[in-house]
Amino acid sequence: GESVGLHLPTLSVQEGDNSIINCAYSNSASDYFIWYKQESGKGPQFIIDIRSNMDKRQGQRVTVLLNKTVKHLSLQIAATQPGDSAVYFCAEKASGTYKYIFGTGTRLKVLA
Amino acid sequence: SAVISQKPSRDICQRGTSLTIQCQVDSQVTMMFWYRQQPGQSLTLIATANQGSEATYESGFVIDKFPISRPNLTFSTLTVSNMSPEDSSIYLCSVPGFKGTGDRETQYFGPGTRLLVL
Repeated sequence: GESVGLHLPTLSVQEGDNSIINCAYSNSASDYFIWYKQESGKGPQFIIDIRSNMDKRQGQRVTVLLNKTVKHLSLQIAATQPGDSAVYFCAEKASGTYKYIFGTGTRLKVLA
Repeated sequence: SAVISQKPSRDICQRGTSLTIQCQVDSQVTMMFWYRQQPGQSLTLIATANQGSEATYESGFVIDKFPISRPNLTFSTLTVSNMSPEDSSIYLCSVPGFKGTGDRETQYFGPGTRLLVL
């Protein structure tokens, strides 16, 4: 099937290395952020979230960092595996709204 | 969590025709969202579908082009009308929800409908 990431920025990493995917968000009023993973032929799936009162949150093999000063989010994946190959999107939401704004996305390719 | 299915999963259509995409959720939800994901791009919200009221469309999207139905709390349809090749995209429906103990908001997405307009 066709890929959603044909023209997206691509990050290639060696299996076992750490990956860092970056995202610049647009709204200084956004107070909740999610990283989504979209595999080929599937809808986006929740990976990890962070609220604006935090600057770091850790999950299983993933860490999200938030820098509100420069409106920047990053997703760190430790010991990247072939199953991590996908397109990754950040999404932001402002308090009192239900709408998410999605970032441009990054395609992660894991090299064996 | 919510399990969402979409029909059709993909289609190839001729310009000038219309396609109706169905979205079914396994639980009752007040809001359902329809997104478009053009090739190589991110997700753009088309509209929010609430049961019992007209859908709310985002800037750049109009009801005549993307009519939406929401007959009950588990189902919605999006029609792409009078299609042109520029409508070739993945169309996704989603619903709001919570992860874990309930304080972590998210949106659950369907698998998407891949549309190619010739």
